[in-house]
Parts: sequence; structure tokens; C-alpha cells
Amino acid sequence: QKEVEQDPGPLSVPEGAIVSLNCTYSNSAFQYFMWYRQYSRKGPELLMYTYSSGNKEDGRFTAQVDKSSKYISLFIRDSQPSDSATYLCAMRSSGGSYIPTFGRGTSLIVHP
Amino acid sequence: EPEVTQTPSHQVTQMGQEVILRCVPISNHLYFYWYRQILGQKVEFLVSFYNNEISEKSEIFDDQFSVERPDGSNFTLKIRSTKLEDSAMYFCARGGGTSNQPQHFGDGTRLSIL
Repeated sequence: QKEVEQDPGPLSVPEGAIVSLNCTYSNSAFQYFMWYRQYSRKGPELLMYTYSSGNKEDGRFTAQVDKSSKYISLFIRDSQPSDSATYLCAMRSSGGSYIPTFGRGTSLIVHP
Repeated sequence: EPEVTQTPSHQVTQMGQEVILRCVPISNHLYFYWYRQILGQKVEFLVSFYNNEISEKSEIFDDQFSVERPDGSNFTLKIRSTKLEDSAMYFCARGGGTSNQPQHFGDGTRLSIL
């Protein structure tokens, strides 16, 4: 089983839709969870950074962590064509190595 | 606006040649990282650098690779005797004030080995 699983998509939604992006993981030691947005030929841009379980909201974005299910989600409300990008989840433990493990990314297309 | 500037944006090199990829932080940071992303695959960690020393490296970071901070500002990744499979995007990232902080990436260098 891969350490971090993420459906590569593409996920195609109409403008204004609520988007749900998800990752599952197997390592119960993961405590820090990140979502990055990556436009074509650009570097990953940090969107959300959360610790342990719970929700975190920032504008149209909400990150949700369910450690009991080893499942994290990123919700995008009122999606815009400019949200079209690849969304990467990443996570790491709180001790030992501080290097995050990345998912493969989900390609999101928001069409007008 | 990325917090580190990477040059060149695209490097084309013949197999067997050496390449040097450069990263310049916008402000003074202690933690730096190099990652690579082969087309269609996930971001892979190569090496982390703290206070001018390698702090952690992956299995990918073998003797073919080296990192330096030659002038205390620029941060370089050198790949000796390049192979076709080294073709990838290479990202530099900077950490926050502590190793607990998330990483912020540059826009990368696209390395094409012919």
C-alpha cells in the first residue's frame, strides 16, 4: 500500500461548483497536513497547513483532517476557472524526519 | 511570487554532462530543500540543507548529486554525469524559521537530458 494515495483525476466541474479533493494515507504517525496548488510549469504553492484533526478555513478553501480514518480533504467553494490546477496533498510526522510525503496530485478543471 | 528564485528556468544538456541548478532565496533562511518531479509523477525529496550542511537526504541523492551554498546566498544542486532519467522538474524550497514550518517552493528548473 502506498503511503499517500490521491486520485489523479482529472476532475472536471462547472464554475461555481463545490469541489472536494481527497487523500488517504497509511502512516498513523502523520500529524502535519498540507495542500499545495500547482499550475502548469510552476512550483507547488502552499494553500493550507494544518496540524492533527479538525477543520481549517481560509477564504473559499477548507481543509479537513480525519485522523481516525486516515483521510484528508480540501473543499473549494464557488470554484473559478482560475482554480484549474493540480492539487497536491502532503503530510509528515511531528518527530524524526520533517520531510513531507506527497501525493501524486489531482488535476482539477473548472470550466466556465 | 515565489519565495525562492530558481535559474535557469529550462536547461537542456547532453547525457553525461554536468549541470548546476541555482536557487536564490528572497530573504535569509536557514532551511533549504531540493525536490524533483518527473513528468506525471509525484514530487520526490532529494536533500535538505540546514545551516550550510546537509541535514537529510533520500536514496535518490547518491554520489551523482551534490549541494553547496558557495557564497552564503545562492544554493546550488550539481548533477554530475547526467543520465536520461534525470530529466525532470527540479524544485528548490525554503523552510520557515524552524523545521516545523511548511516548505515554500520556487518555480523550478526544467531539466531535459538528450
